Amino acid sequence: DQQVKQNSPSLSVQEGRISILNCDYTNSMFDYFLWYKKYPAEGPTFLISISSIKDKNEDGRFTVFLNKSAKHLSLHIVPSQPGDSAVYFCAASAATGTASKLTFGTGTRLQVTL
Amino acid sequence: ETGVTQSPTHLIKTRGQQVTLRCSSQSGHNTVSWYQQALGQGPQFIFQYYREEENGRGNFPPRFSGLQFPNYSSELNVNALELDDSALYLCASSPTGYGYTFGSGTRLTVV
Repeated sequence: DQQVKQNSPSLSVQEGRISILNCDYTNSMFDYFLWYKKYPAEGPTFLISISSIKDKNEDGRFTVFLNKSAKHLSLHIVPSQPGDSAVYFCAASAATGTASKLTFGTGTRLQVTL
Repeated sequence: ETGVTQSPTHLIKTRGQQVTLRCSSQSGHNTVSWYQQALGQGPQFIFQYYREEENGRGNFPPRFSGLQFPNYSSELNVNALELDDSALYLCASSPTGYGYTFGSGTRLTVV
């Protein structure tokens, strides 16, 4: 039962172009969404998040869009840089008191080429 | 702040053995969660501790257990290791229960 899905295992983008990473979810109780970046031999690093009361959040080169009716979110990276090459995980949580477990997708490997 | 530190970084155990993985969180991070990441998969939630009590658990059997200590450190214990337990184990902590900081993980190999 994969509640958070990242259907593209990999993506290759040229340096300077836009990278768009997609994520779909099935659980309508999710109210907070996050993107993490992971390099080999390191833990996931938080990138950007969005609450379900918003449809867009921006932080520098990174923008996350949320479409609640479609249960879809996307991460836009503009412009893409070689250092952005990593595995990107979409995660979602549904707050229940003090427990807010993250449900992760399977990740998308982004390769930014020169 | 020193981030989230996990030890050891790598570990090899034999099937049937027991293992303890350790995590040291940042001061003030009352919430700690443990995740299992199998090869090619996203991290899977094991359980969460808040102020030294378990307050959330994923779909993992009771042989996965944990402890959280007052000094913001925590442990993940796995008994009767199985080959499928081979994975990267990640500890994540948060002061609020939302913005989690992850450690670099412990790579466990069960042979």
